[in-house]
Amino acid sequence: NFMLTQPHSVSESPGKTVTITCTGSSGSIARNYVQWYQQRPGSAPTTVIYEDNQRPSGVPDRFSGSIDSSSNSASLTISGLKAEDEADYYCQSYDGSNWVFGGGTKLAVL
Amino acid sequence: EVQLVESGGGLVKPGGSLRLSCAASGFTFSTYSMNWVRQAPGKGLEWVASISTTRSNKYYADSVKGRFAISRDNAKNSLYLQMDSLRAEDTAVYYCARASLPSLWGQGTLVTVSS
Repeated sequence: NFMLTQPHSVSESPGKTVTITCTGSSGSIARNYVQWYQQRPGSAPTTVIYEDNQRPSGVPDRFSGSIDSSSNSASLTISGLKAEDEADYYCQSYDGSNWVFGGGTKLAVL
Repeated sequence: EVQLVESGGGLVKPGGSLRLSCAASGFTFSTYSMNWVRQAPGKGLEWVASISTTRSNKYYADSVKGRFAISRDNAKNSLYLQMDSLRAEDTAVYYCARASLPSLWGQGTLVTVSS
């Protein structure tokens, strides 16, 4: 089964840039699209990146996504960090028709 | 307004059953595959099941296979999850999510399995 691995937590200061990685267990992560979700406490997940690097309307361009085939990983980069970015972030891709989620990364903006 | 609204959650005893519903509005429900995703307290997201537009294809996570059944009624713009033989480890917030890019999620409904 295809699995996605994320760091448990990351932290950075306001105004800085942080990158969260999502590594695929087998095959090529570039074979299927990767999405990134933001989840604040008590709320449902919302999409911040879809189709590897696309931003839904309303998501600031401080959020960007990329794929690195050499490391079989996807990345979510948040620049100009704000306190409101503090949340859990999940990557998601596919195993056949099934959705596969990473374990989630807690972002602390200190 | 484009939205998904889940309902049907609650407290149920181990071994019991529950049926969740998800009402879709603001978009053409029949043209999208749909998913159920759950999140246990303090844990990450776990995909549960998916169903194709015409109900011909249904897929389940190994953890719920044989106990849960996903279905839909396109005439009623509704998605369902029949949950039988419930276990304590099924306790979670259950979200319905549209299989689109970007996806669309509901706000979730809490299912608690406890004696």
